[in-house]
Amino acid sequence: KNEVEQSPQNLTAQEGEFITINCSYSVGISALHWLQQHPGGGIVSLFMLSSGKKKHGRLIATINIQEKHSSLHITASHPRDSAVYICAVSKPNTGNQFYFGTGTSLTVIP
Amino acid sequence: ETGVTQSPTHLIKTRGQQVTLRCSSQSGHNTVSWYQQALGQGPQFIFQYYREEENGRGNFPPRFSGLQFPNYSSELNVNALELDDSALYLCASSFGTGAMGYGYTFGSGTRLTVV
Repeated sequence: KNEVEQSPQNLTAQEGEFITINCSYSVGISALHWLQQHPGGGIVSLFMLSSGKKKHGRLIATINIQEKHSSLHITASHPRDSAVYICAVSKPNTGNQFYFGTGTSLTVIP
Repeated sequence: ETGVTQSPTHLIKTRGQQVTLRCSSQSGHNTVSWYQQALGQGPQFIFQYYREEENGRGNFPPRFSGLQFPNYSSELNVNALELDDSALYLCASSFGTGAMGYGYTFGSGTRLTVV
């Protein structure tokens, strides 16, 4: 069993829909990261969370430390949001040795 | 400031051969981590280099080895290539190895195909 689980694996949405991607983890963490990976491989960091909630534009990330669960929300989705969204955790005392989920492939249809 | 640059972008090798992948860290960063991402999977941590020393290793065999140079660029070497080594290899650089992975930046990866 992976230490980081994401759901759903694949998601198709109509432009403008509100999207939620979930991440659960089973280990103690120092931080949780949401990453975006475009076709071709490049990875961009979206959020780094250790508690609470963060917002950047149309993206919102929340984390519940007690429940070991995080969500990434996209409001008013747009085709350019189409990408793979990856949840990753860093464990205490291991620096940025991330442990990744398998990703959620999002396609937003115009 | 420049980002993280990986070379080559694509590579095809034959089973049993050796390969070297390169990563230039972002200016001001002194830590490089390498990851292997098989098709349809999340990246898996290979190892991390901090100030030219290995600073943690994932569950990869010894035929995966690395180096970090005084300018903090890094190499990943894989000997005796196997078909299952076919993957996207990502490197990420950061300043320090602190728990928050401060300022980490990923490269675009090297796509290795072993035939």
